[in-house]
Amino acid sequence: EVQLLESGGGLVQPGGSLRLSCAAFGFTFSNYAMTWVRQAPGKGLEWISVIGDNTYYADSVKGRFSISRDNSKDTLYLQMTSLRVEDMAVYYCAKAVGVAARGARFDFWGQGTLVTVSS
Amino acid sequence: QSMLTQPPSASGTPGQRVTISCSGRSSNIGSNTVNWYQQLPGTAPKLLIYSNDQRPSGVPDRFSVSKSGTSASLAISGLQSEDEADYYCAAWDDSLDGVVFGGGTKLTVL
Repeated sequence: EVQLLESGGGLVQPGGSLRLSCAAFGFTFSNYAMTWVRQAPGKGLEWISVIGDNTYYADSVKGRFSISRDNSKDTLYLQMTSLRVEDMAVYYCAKAVGVAARGARFDFWGQGTLVTVSS
Repeated sequence: QSMLTQPPSASGTPGQRVTISCSGRSSNIGSNTVNWYQQLPGTAPKLLIYSNDQRPSGVPDRFSVSKSGTSASLAISGLQSEDEADYYCAAWDDSLDGVVFGGGTKLTVL
């Protein structure tokens, strides 16, 4: 059974940094692209980044966030720096249906981790 | 601002057929597969359906999709109370080199 478990969320001040993790279970992690999608309170979904055969970022986080993965640990990461109030959201990791990052669709999602940016 | 445009809300009574539209551009819907996600209240999104009515295991065939040019739509027939959820369309955008989501449509079963 595919499972994705996010961790690392919490309260951080504007301008601060945070690293999110997503532990993957139940599939061959290295064979699939992985993504981060966030959802601000009461708002819709916003795609952040995807890593697979290539890596892509949304303009809203480019230069501030960095996605990475450790295939030996079956874990996806999101390093977030220069955090802003508008980055406050539930952050979901999700698995793509293949290794291709471009054009990926996401068939399994974690339950999310909440990032609160406030002074 | 969402790159794909969806109506904020839709509604229907049990057994009815409802459709949710998703409008985009040539760089996204016009060029790439449209994926639809369902988010039940208080839960994570799940992949619902994508091109040519491809459905993950467990998704009933009451859900269907269509696409024409730069627009797509999700149809739900035989509406059931458990279909009450937020629905999002999404597609890769060749100009942005990223995924764009619609703003989401909240479906209410009356």
